[in-house]
Amino acid sequence: AQSVTQLDSQVPVFEEAPVELRCNYSSSVSVYLFWYVQYPNQGLQLLLKYLSGSTLVKGINGFEAEFNKSQTSFHLRKPSVHISDTAEYFCAVSGPIQGAQKLVFGQGTRLTINP
Amino acid sequence: NAGVTQTPKFQVLKTGQSMTLQCAQDMNHNSMYWYRQDPGMGLRLIYYSASEGTTDKGEVPNGYNVSRLNKREFSLRLESAAPSQTSVYFCASSEWLAGSYEQYFGPGTRLTVT
Repeated sequence: AQSVTQLDSQVPVFEEAPVELRCNYSSSVSVYLFWYVQYPNQGLQLLLKYLSGSTLVKGINGFEAEFNKSQTSFHLRKPSVHISDTAEYFCAVSGPIQGAQKLVFGQGTRLTINP
Repeated sequence: NAGVTQTPKFQVLKTGQSMTLQCAQDMNHNSMYWYRQDPGMGLRLIYYSASEGTTDKGEVPNGYNVSRLNKREFSLRLESAAPSQTSVYFCASSEWLAGSYEQYFGPGTRLTVT
């Protein structure tokens, strides 16, 4: 079984400051890892994903994440945030199952950017 | 290319009423999914369909049924709605891409059961 824990339910930061959103996972098999963003009253949009290879993954909107197998973490970072980054962020883990991709999501982290 | 579409966007039901949430995708994906989103709990998988003609239970299937009508459409039915089913429902679809699946989400249906 797989599980995901997002360590912060809310993260307030000032505009142009750096931010890190933390995600830890557990799995008994090889995993794929994802970060999704949800803007208010919208669906989820993929920010980035780790499949294999380089542990540093770059995504859209200047975000990046680092896969750390020994610490079972996949933290999301951005060096300088903007007001438009205000959203809820979800970390998710999957392993292939029966031809479909069963995603297990964390509880979400609400990122609030203050001017 | 509309991606994943869901209808309706909003719905209010009384306890015991039934309804069907509709989902369609135009990306020719084989796999489709239904999730529910509740505050502080992230998204939880209700049912999924790996391919046309197959459906399987996810993490929270009780009180729901699904139909994979064809490759494009995957509906979710509440036979007798309960207040505990008040939630935001998301449909998603996926296909193998560069060695893995990537899921694409619809805009959601906000359901309130009174």
